[in-house]
Amino acid sequence: QQQVKQSPQSLIVQKGGISIINCAYENTAFDYFPWYQQFPGKGPALLIAIRPDVSEKKEGRFTISFNKSAKQFSLHIMDSQPGDSATYFCAASTPNAGNMLTFGGGTRLMVKP
Amino acid sequence: EPEVTQTPSHQVTQMGQEVILRCVPISNHLYFYWYRQILGQKVEFLVSFYNNEISEKSEIFDDQFSVERPDGSNFTLKIRSTKLEDSAMYFCASSELAGGWGEQFFGPGTRLTVL
Repeated sequence: QQQVKQSPQSLIVQKGGISIINCAYENTAFDYFPWYQQFPGKGPALLIAIRPDVSEKKEGRFTISFNKSAKQFSLHIMDSQPGDSATYFCAASTPNAGNMLTFGGGTRLMVKP
Repeated sequence: EPEVTQTPSHQVTQMGQEVILRCVPISNHLYFYWYRQILGQKVEFLVSFYNNEISEKSEIFDDQFSVERPDGSNFTLKIRSTKLEDSAMYFCASSELAGGWGEQFFGPGTRLTVL
């Protein structure tokens, strides 16, 4: 029940296209849903995060869409750029659980020039 | 910009040996974490630490693992007797706040190779 399932495992998008990564969860106690970006040899870095009281959050080219009833959330990268090529992880956490982040399996995004 | 630092960047050890991975969290942060990532797999939570004690630990964090904040700046992860399956990238993270908006900042990781 603690799992977060992420799809697809890999994604190839042309420059300027939209990249969409999806995550699903079972634990309704999750109340914080961040997305992390990881470049090779680096640690994950927070990209954008959302709480379940809103259905969408946008920061620049990055948007999280959140569907509480379906227990799904997704990351949309608009106007994808080659510099966006990285591995993206969705994650979730519950309150009062030591701030433990449960990560999805990751999506390796490649944006072709 | 403040950042989490980790040493060493790569540690090679023999099975059964003890290793200590070191981290310097961001200075005003109060919450500290260790995660690991086996090559090609997802990031997995190991332990969280606040006010000099463990807040939460995962099933992975068994008796072979321990954490310590030996002084005001360092946060360490000790693996008492390493196994082959402990080979992974270990990430330290820290956050200023608890709960949902306590953004966790990750260090660059220590690659542990157990031979």
